[in-house]
Amino acid sequence: DSGVTQTPKHLITATGQRVTLRCSPRSGDLSVYWYQQSLDQGLQFLIQYYNGEERAKGNILERFSAQQFPDLHSELNLSSLELGDSALYFCASSVGLAGFSGETQYFGPGTRLLVL
Amino acid sequence: DAKTTQPNSMESNEEEPVHLPCNHSTISGTDYIHWYRQLPSQGPEYVIHGLTSNVNNRMASLAIAEDRKSSTLILHRATLRDAAVYYCILRDVGQGNTGKLIFGQGTTLQVKP
Repeated sequence: DSGVTQTPKHLITATGQRVTLRCSPRSGDLSVYWYQQSLDQGLQFLIQYYNGEERAKGNILERFSAQQFPDLHSELNLSSLELGDSALYFCASSVGLAGFSGETQYFGPGTRLLVL
Repeated sequence: DAKTTQPNSMESNEEEPVHLPCNHSTISGTDYIHWYRQLPSQGPEYVIHGLTSNVNNRMASLAIAEDRKSSTLILHRATLRDAAVYYCILRDVGQGNTGKLIFGQGTTLQVKP
């Protein structure tokens, strides 16, 4: 158990809908990262928040957005869903901004999204 | 981001050592070499990291070439639970880096009993 929790574990929805994925980081971790894992693209970094502020963006679609709340949990919002958005979405957390070599990211179990 | 190259798959027998190679010829001076693995149906987990010197921890050893253009993850005695996808990742800790991980395709390790 990494200490990172994600809800829900599974999500089935229809095209055009909107869903929210939730992540609670490990106690004390200020950084939250979101990753998408699909069969054709592999694991891709989407976005990072540090202590409530957006710090880095990867290949995140404009239909997707995220935020980190004062209690440090994070939500990833996916809207106007398409079939191709079906994937595993992982949240990871780390203590800080990874400014030192040894910082480890701890991954949650993921949310499996299926868009029909 | 500097890239890494790994074999797509490798096989090992249980209780034998496994050497997983990674090439990173464009590595920069501020890149640390990190290894993560992803067990089936789980999120990735950290294995080990290093900069220039060889490193050991309870999970594995990391051997880094003198020119740092390649490295090898060593599992000393593979078990069935070590069957996973192993990712070699370069993390830049230079100024402005945020710590995001850029995953490649990784090496799928199969362990045979």
